[in-house]
Amino acid sequence: DQQVKQNSPSLSVQEGRISILNCDYTNSMFDYFLWYKKYPAEGPTFLISISSIKDKNEDGRFTVFLNKSAKHLSLHIVPSQPGDSAVYFCAASGYGGSQGNLIFGKGTKLSVKP
Amino acid sequence: DGGITQSPKYLFRKEGQNVTLSCEQNLNHDAMYWYRQDPGQGLRLIYYSQIVNDFQKGDIAEGYSVSREKKESFPLTVTSAQKNPTAFYLCASSTQRVVWNEQFFGPGTRLTVL
Repeated sequence: DQQVKQNSPSLSVQEGRISILNCDYTNSMFDYFLWYKKYPAEGPTFLISISSIKDKNEDGRFTVFLNKSAKHLSLHIVPSQPGDSAVYFCAASGYGGSQGNLIFGKGTKLSVKP
Repeated sequence: DGGITQSPKYLFRKEGQNVTLSCEQNLNHDAMYWYRQDPGQGLRLIYYSQIVNDFQKGDIAEGYSVSREKKESFPLTVTSAQKNPTAFYLCASSTQRVVWNEQFFGPGTRLTVL
């Protein structure tokens, strides 16, 4: 059973507009959430993270929002640029057992059109 | 430059042969990981190692083996017992000093078994 879900396999957005990527999780023991960006045939690169004690973290054009009661987080990219076109993975950690390991969602492919 | 290297980028093998994928890091990270990515799937954890001479099975360890004789190196062997070895393999590392476990990824190795 998937503990981290990204229900939208793809998203298409016009350049300059906002991109919103969503992620849901089921395990309430997750402490940290991370977003990674991945280009084809390359390794993922870390984008932004958020601790479960916060509800928002911002870094330039990227903002992550966390709603613990809904077990939902989202990544906002404003304004979207063509170079943002990539697959975005949501990941969670801190669920005990193999503490520190990351559980990844299946990813959302973002296409930003000029 | 500090980072993670994986070699080779593309690897072809005949069915029934074992193959070893290389992963080296010079980030002085204690923890290293191997993931597998299939089309439309997230990253699935194969094995991880939090310290030299110790490693643990991840979610899909069957048909794989690893060793961690040096801090810098974490090779993965795909054995003939792995039923569906064709995939994109990613190695990652992290420091234990950061609680949110930001993992740094290598560029990946695409293995094709003919």
